Amino acid sequence: AQSVSQHNHHVILSEAASLELGCNYSYGGTVNLFWYVQYPGQHLQLLLKYFSGDPLVKGIKGFEAEFIKSKFSFNLRKPSVQWSDTAEYFCAVKRSGAGSYQLTFGKGTKLSVIP
Amino acid sequence: DGGITQSPKYLFRKEGQNVTLSCEQNLNHDAMYWYRQDPGQGLRLIYYSQIVNDFQKGDIAEGYSVSREKKESFPLTVTSAQKNPTAFYLCASSVRTGGIPDTQYFGPGTRLTVL
Repeated sequence: AQSVSQHNHHVILSEAASLELGCNYSYGGTVNLFWYVQYPGQHLQLLLKYFSGDPLVKGIKGFEAEFIKSKFSFNLRKPSVQWSDTAEYFCAVKRSGAGSYQLTFGKGTKLSVIP
Repeated sequence: DGGITQSPKYLFRKEGQNVTLSCEQNLNHDAMYWYRQDPGQGLRLIYYSQIVNDFQKGDIAEGYSVSREKKESFPLTVTSAQKNPTAFYLCASSVRTGGIPDTQYFGPGTRLTVL
């Protein structure tokens, strides 16, 4: 069974600081990778996804993630965070291909941005 | 507006009672999913349905039941057999392209509290 590990439970940053949230997964085959974000009081939203092609993926609101296959990693980055980025971030992985419905989530990282 | 609706937003039940959570989507998505979110645990898959009249158990199906009589609807029943039913329940849906499930999109969730 696949699993997802998010290294940081809670990250606190000042505005304009750079962000990197770690995500590692355990599955040897081809995968689809996702980052979702849950802003306070709002529903889970897709931030970005990787299915194939360029391993550097750009998402909404200036976020990007890099898929490093050799490290089984899909870390999320943003050069300069804003107070509005305060939210909980979830990494998720799915085996690619037909019949692969199960999306496995990490436990989430809470990001608090201090103005 | 297209989207996924879940009702109610908050639900309270007495211990020992069954309760049904509603999930409706007007995105014309084939696949639908139920997740449970607990603090610090991420999201865990309860059940999913690829098409109407078909559904499969996820990682934590015990104490839950579902039905899929219509493409738009995927209700979840939390039975009295579920030992720890108090949680935040999220419904999701996705298209299938050539039999391959695509990105999952989430509803706003229902917070169930069992007293």
